[in-house]
Amino acid sequence: GENVEQHPSTLSVQEGDSAVIKCTYSDSASNYFPWYKQELGKGPQLIIDIRSNVGEKKDQRIAVTLNKTAKHFSLHITETQPEDSAVYFCAASRLTGGGNKLTFGTGTQLKVEL
Amino acid sequence: DAGITQSPRYKITETGRQVTLMCHQTWSHSYMFWYRQDLGHGLRLIYYSAAADITDKGEVPDGYVVSRSKTENFPLTLESATRSQTSVYFCASRSGAGNQPQHFGDGTRLSIL
Repeated sequence: GENVEQHPSTLSVQEGDSAVIKCTYSDSASNYFPWYKQELGKGPQLIIDIRSNVGEKKDQRIAVTLNKTAKHFSLHITETQPEDSAVYFCAASRLTGGGNKLTFGTGTQLKVEL
Repeated sequence: DAGITQSPRYKITETGRQVTLMCHQTWSHSYMFWYRQDLGHGLRLIYYSAAADITDKGEVPDGYVVSRSKTENFPLTLESATRSQTSVYFCASRSGAGNQPQHFGDGTRLSIL
């Protein structure tokens, strides 16, 4: 089955700096890669996702890059703000068959310091 | 816009007891999922359902039972709770159409003494 590794497990940045979280996956057939943000006491919320036919996707201060050859993808947050502090999860799945079952990484606790 | 709701939000029970966690979604999504979240493991899939009366095992199904008699509900039952099942449980749903993301509830924190 799929295995997703996520690094780092904790990340502390100064407000205004950039943050990068990296994930690798094992199943070359995976073709859908979402990123979720989880705030304390809440469920994960989708913030951005990317399909394998795209190398990069941006949404305001958030971007995701995908390298299919190396089987890794990354989340980039620019101009970080205190409200970006949360746990971030990457995930991978195949879109066809199996109901889009997601395999999650173990999460990154991001802290944005003033 | 209720979306997806889980109940109870917190539950304490004893080993050997049966406990049922409820999940209800108002979007008429065909797919529903149950995950457990533990430190160091991220979210792991317990069971999922593609439609009413269709369920299948995920990565960690042992000790759990699910049913899906109605599209909007997907209860998760621990038939004889064990301490190792202490966790935070999340329900999610997605549309049956391709390329749609999963949407999560706010979880149930379950403690088994």
